[in-house]
Amino acid sequence: DAKTTQPPSMDCAEGRAANLPCNHSTISGNEYVYWYRQIHSQGPQYIIHGLKNNETNEMASLIITEDRKSSTLILPHATLRDTAVYYCIVESNYQLIWGAGTKLIIKP
Amino acid sequence: EAGVAQSPRYKIIEKRQSVAFWCNPISGHATLYWYQQILGQGPKLLIQFQNNGVVDDSQLPKDRFSAERLKGVDSTLKIQPAKLEDSAVYLCASSPQDQPQHFGDGTRLSIL
Repeated sequence: DAKTTQPPSMDCAEGRAANLPCNHSTISGNEYVYWYRQIHSQGPQYIIHGLKNNETNEMASLIITEDRKSSTLILPHATLRDTAVYYCIVESNYQLIWGAGTKLIIKP
Repeated sequence: EAGVAQSPRYKIIEKRQSVAFWCNPISGHATLYWYQQILGQGPKLLIQFQNNGVVDDSQLPKDRFSAERLKGVDSTLKIQPAKLEDSAVYLCASSPQDQPQHFGDGTRLSIL
């Protein structure tokens, strides 16, 4: 079973920051948090991952709470092309256990 | 770099028929994964290879599904015989050791 809980859907206005929450209250100390997204009819695309510290790359920022029980993916300036299903995943025993994700809709 | 290649893109068969999917991973990626994604759900791991050896196939329905990765490069996934509940997208992913997975666009299988 997936070790994460995400809202099933969210909206965000184009040009605004999209903040996607994820709960992973049973995460173990050595388990990473991964984020992927899946645009319709395409394979999942890796976004970012982290263990304890906040991470940033060219796509997004990942904020992990100090107790590591939750995290937030931030897309700083959402565009229409960011409309997708976003998956928050805890890597367990070197495997990704996927939930149903959050369907993010970017509105003009 | 070229991405993970999968074929065919779409496949329609009748139940009890056989079907095979092909995956060409990114060059140099030692680990290869096959996932099943049912509509509205996240991907579910079927089998994981490290080079040409199986690391985990605990969720592969071995009575009807089989997979091989000859020479540690390309891989095929076969279903024989297919059931209605096998209708799904079959995704292949590859990764270097301990690095994020890169996915192909999958094969969409419809069982009539």
